[in-house]
Amino acid sequence: AQSVSQHNHHVILSEAASLELGCNYSYGGTVNLFWYVQYPGQHLQLLLKYFSGDPLVKGIKGFEAEFIKSKFSFNLRKPSVQWSDTAEYFCAVIGKGAQKLVFGQGTRLTINP
Amino acid sequence: NAGVTQTPKFQVLKTGQSMTLQCAQDMNHNSMYWYRQDPGMGLRLIYYSASEGTTDKGEVPNGYNVSRLNKREFSLRLESAAPSQTSVYFCASSEQGGGSYNEQFFGPGTRLTVL
Repeated sequence: AQSVSQHNHHVILSEAASLELGCNYSYGGTVNLFWYVQYPGQHLQLLLKYFSGDPLVKGIKGFEAEFIKSKFSFNLRKPSVQWSDTAEYFCAVIGKGAQKLVFGQGTRLTINP
Repeated sequence: NAGVTQTPKFQVLKTGQSMTLQCAQDMNHNSMYWYRQDPGMGLRLIYYSASEGTTDKGEVPNGYNVSRLNKREFSLRLESAAPSQTSVYFCASSEQGGGSYNEQFFGPGTRLTVL
């Protein structure tokens, strides 16, 4: 069965700090990986996705993530965060041939101005 | 395009009452999903419909039923609401499920409180 673990439940940073949110998954085969963001009071939006090819993927708003197959990880990074990045971030995985997307527990990110 | 729409946005029920959450998408997607979001638990899949005419249970289906009314609409019914069903409910759709997977697009959510 697929599972996703996000290590940090709540991260607090100051503006301009660098960000890395951890995501590890459990699945034995080929996977598609996603990061979604949920701004306060809004619905989930796709930040970026990995299907195949270059393991370093770039998303919207300056976010990027690196797929490291040997570590079953897909960490989200941003070099310099802004107050507007305050949101909840969800990692998600679906195995090739599977029907269901599995979400991590989410990481709440608070950026102090 | 409106994307994925949900009604209502908010609802308060008493224990034992029933209600139906409505979801519609205008992207001609084949697959639709219902999730619930609870603090510290991420999103958990309740039911999904891989294509029109099919529905399947997700991770937490107990206490819920679904209907895929047509390609556009996928409703979630609570027959006898319980306080444990207090949650935020999200509907989502994707072009295809299964092996040819595409990203899911989410609706704005329904915040349900059961007293």
